[in-house]
Amino acid sequence: RKEVEQDPGPFNVPEGATVAFNCTYSNSASQSFFWYRQDCRKEPKLLMSVYSSGNEDGRFTAQLNRASQYISLLIRDSKLSDSATYLCVAGSNYKLTFGKGTLLTVNP
Amino acid sequence: DTGVSQDPRHKITKRGQNVTFRCDPISEHNRLYWYRQTLGQGPEFLTYFQNEAQLEKSRLLSDRFSAERPKGSFSTLEIQRTEQGDSAMYLCASSLWTSGSYEQYFGPGTRLTVT
Repeated sequence: RKEVEQDPGPFNVPEGATVAFNCTYSNSASQSFFWYRQDCRKEPKLLMSVYSSGNEDGRFTAQLNRASQYISLLIRDSKLSDSATYLCVAGSNYKLTFGKGTLLTVNP
Repeated sequence: DTGVSQDPRHKITKRGQNVTFRCDPISEHNRLYWYRQTLGQGPEFLTYFQNEAQLEKSRLLSDRFSAERPKGSFSTLEIQRTEQGDSAMYLCASSLWTSGSYEQYFGPGTRLTVT
């Protein structure tokens, strides 16, 4: 079983749509959780950290459920510029374990 | 630019040659990490340093791979006797290690092609 599993995608949505990404992790000792976005042939960029209390940054909302070892990301009112691969991450205090990523394409 | 930098950005080498990559972290960051990413996969952890000490190495890091961070600033990753399976993007990341802060920031990567 992969340590971090994500929806395989790809997702194709129209501008303005709401899109949800789901992820599970297997290591119950994980201490840190993130969503990164990665544009084609570029480095991963930190989108947001994920906390048990849930957190929101503009159009982006992330949730963590430690009991079910589940992480989610919701993007509201999607923009063309949101097109990218979204990587779910669970980590220790030094090692990040990434999912394979889910490709999102937002269409005009 | 105050982000993580890596050099070279691209490297093409013949099988059996040695290659060395450099990473310069964000200046105040005390931790530096190396990851490898192949097509269609997320990055995979290779090793990390806290200051100049190499504290953890993944099983992915065979004995052909060596990493150093001699003065606790920049780091180098060397691959000896390259194989075609070493073709990948090699990513460096850095972080400021404090209790409760685990965010890592990535450089642009070095794309290695072994022919």
